[in-house]
Amino acid sequence: SQQGEEDPQALSIQEGENATMNCSYKTSINNLQWYRQNSGRGLVHLILIRSNEREKHSGRLRVTLDTSKKSSSLLITASRAADTASYFCAAGGYNKLIFGAGTRLAVHP
Amino acid sequence: DVKVTQSSRYLVKRTGEKVFLECVQDMDHENMFWYRQDPGLGLRLIYFSYDVKMKEKGDIPEGYSVSREKKERFSLILESASTNQTSMYLCASSSRPGRTGNTIYFGEGSWLTVV
Repeated sequence: SQQGEEDPQALSIQEGENATMNCSYKTSINNLQWYRQNSGRGLVHLILIRSNEREKHSGRLRVTLDTSKKSSSLLITASRAADTASYFCAAGGYNKLIFGAGTRLAVHP
Repeated sequence: DVKVTQSSRYLVKRTGEKVFLECVQDMDHENMFWYRQDPGLGLRLIYFSYDVKMKEKGDIPEGYSVSREKKERFSLILESASTNQTSMYLCASSSRPGRTGNTIYFGEGSWLTVV
């Protein structure tokens, strides 16, 4: 079964709006990572947040982690058409990184 | 920049054929992974390797085997391809310490169709 599960499955917004994606996981983790995948391509690492961290920023990305609720969120601020992609969370246990099914984000000009 | 190169981008194979998917990384990473990606299922780990000649089964190893004779190269083998193995296959690598504490770098993927 999938460790990380994203919500929503699909998100459609206008350029300039913020996009929020959520991720839930089931067991204890060392870290949680977010990846981006353009259509038909490999995944690209965006950001990693460790289990003892609550919030992390990288450019227009903001990630939060709530280990008590076993959940994380990815916020993309001031979205651009180029942000159109699928976004995956990956829950990092001791010996595996388990990915969710992803959120498909469409940003319209 | 880290580069993970998958030798074939698109392959079409017949049922029962033996299929080799090759992956090479250029960053001296200890860990290498093979995932398959299917719509609605996300990425599922097939096998991973944390050292030369070492391998561990992931979540869906049935029908697959792997080979890691050199540190930079990790091969996925489908002994007898079946139509339910039609999928996108992603190779990835990462460095130590820890098996998941570091960023994973992915190749561009290999689209395999079994007919």
